[in-house]
Amino acid sequence: KAGVTQTPRYLIKTRGQQVTLSCSPISGHRSVSWYQQTPGQGLQFLFEYFSETQRNKGNFPGRFSGRQFSNSRSEMNVSTLELGDSALYLCASSPGQGAVQPQHFGDGTRLSIL
Amino acid sequence: SQQGEEDPQALSIQEGENATMNCSYKTSINNLQWYRQNSGRGLVHLILIRSNEREKHSGRLRVTLDTSKKSSSLLITASRAADTASYFCATDPTSGSRLTFGEGTQLTVNP
Repeated sequence: KAGVTQTPRYLIKTRGQQVTLSCSPISGHRSVSWYQQTPGQGLQFLFEYFSETQRNKGNFPGRFSGRQFSNSRSEMNVSTLELGDSALYLCASSPGQGAVQPQHFGDGTRLSIL
Repeated sequence: SQQGEEDPQALSIQEGENATMNCSYKTSINNLQWYRQNSGRGLVHLILIRSNEREKHSGRLRVTLDTSKKSSSLLITASRAADTASYFCATDPTSGSRLTFGEGTQLTVNP
């Protein structure tokens, strides 16, 4: 099976712009979670989608949003980018909802804000 | 804030030696998971231990869990240079349904 695929791998944006990141989960996996990883804050949970519905959300402002499509692919959107949004954004998939099963991670999208 | 705290933050050893990393957490959990992350890559799941288990093995990995002390340890035996990576513990708290990661231990295995 192909692993979790995230596109693009690298992205450079300027403050005030908006960005959309994409995640294709492992075939058959219905849950997709998003994480932000920074040197200062570590791995922070953004949200989880399961069967096209947001099931859980972390403590991030409303500028961070996401969605999931019927084929389980997910997108994450960040509007009005700030310098502090520079991070590695990781997507993880699992067959079912929640954290009872191992998460399968993609290699992430490295977002740099200038 | 992070649920788990890894100790030490960084560990440097020679090939062939054993590496032990510790994780402490704050709330009741359903399970605890360990992940590895190579530089610039995503996380790779290593092992999951449920709250009613005390020890688990997978190849050169040994994980212990002490729910009374709210702590876990990951032992890598006969380490190799390829084991150089960051290692994270992640907890599945009973009060929620999402994984919460610690800050990680950076392991360097010198050839």
